[in-house]
Amino acid sequence: KAGVTQTPRYLIKTRGQQVTLSCSPISGHRSVSWYQQTPGQGLQFLFEYFSETQRNKGNFPGRFSGRQFSNSRSEMNVSTLELGDSALYLCASSNTGGFTEAFFGQGTRLTVV
Amino acid sequence: AQSVTQLGSHVSVSEGALVLLRCNYSSSVPPYLFWYVQYPNQGLQLLLKYTSAATLVKGINGFEAEFKKSETSFHLTKPSAHMSDAAEYFCAVRLLTGGGNKLTFGTGTQLKVEL
Repeated sequence: KAGVTQTPRYLIKTRGQQVTLSCSPISGHRSVSWYQQTPGQGLQFLFEYFSETQRNKGNFPGRFSGRQFSNSRSEMNVSTLELGDSALYLCASSNTGGFTEAFFGQGTRLTVV
Repeated sequence: AQSVTQLGSHVSVSEGALVLLRCNYSSSVPPYLFWYVQYPNQGLQLLLKYTSAATLVKGINGFEAEFKKSETSFHLTKPSAHMSDAAEYFCAVRLLTGGGNKLTFGTGTQLKVEL
């Protein structure tokens, strides 16, 4: 069974640009969550999508947005990039019903210059 | 709101020595608890999970953790450290209900294993 796939693995963008990151969850998983990891703030929850609907949202500005498609693949978008957005962005997929554990992808390393 | 505290941002042990990484949680009701490991430039790998079925939980790579409600703790242990255990370890909590699959992480503990 394939794991969680995130693309691209590395990205360099310029301040003010926007970026889209992609996440393909484990087959059959309908929940996708996104996390930002930085040395200063650690691992912070961005949002969760379940069956194409945002179910949970963390405390991030509106520049951060996401969506989920009918095949459960998810994208997150960051507009008007700032230097502080440089981070490792991790995607996690979970099954549905009762207790579920989250499986993480390798992450996308975003560098804003 | 739930939170997780990991005592010690850096822990150093000798190869073959006991590994003890501390995690305390704050939640109105006992939540789901997890330990994840992260190797450099990698994602997070689940080591073990507490789901109220048993207080002593065994995970992968010889790790285990004990849930102690009275101490609100979920410390991670391994009897004998191996060089390959050097990595960053994260404790995480998830609400039983109402929080979806949102995980709240501790700040992490970097484990160094010395010869």
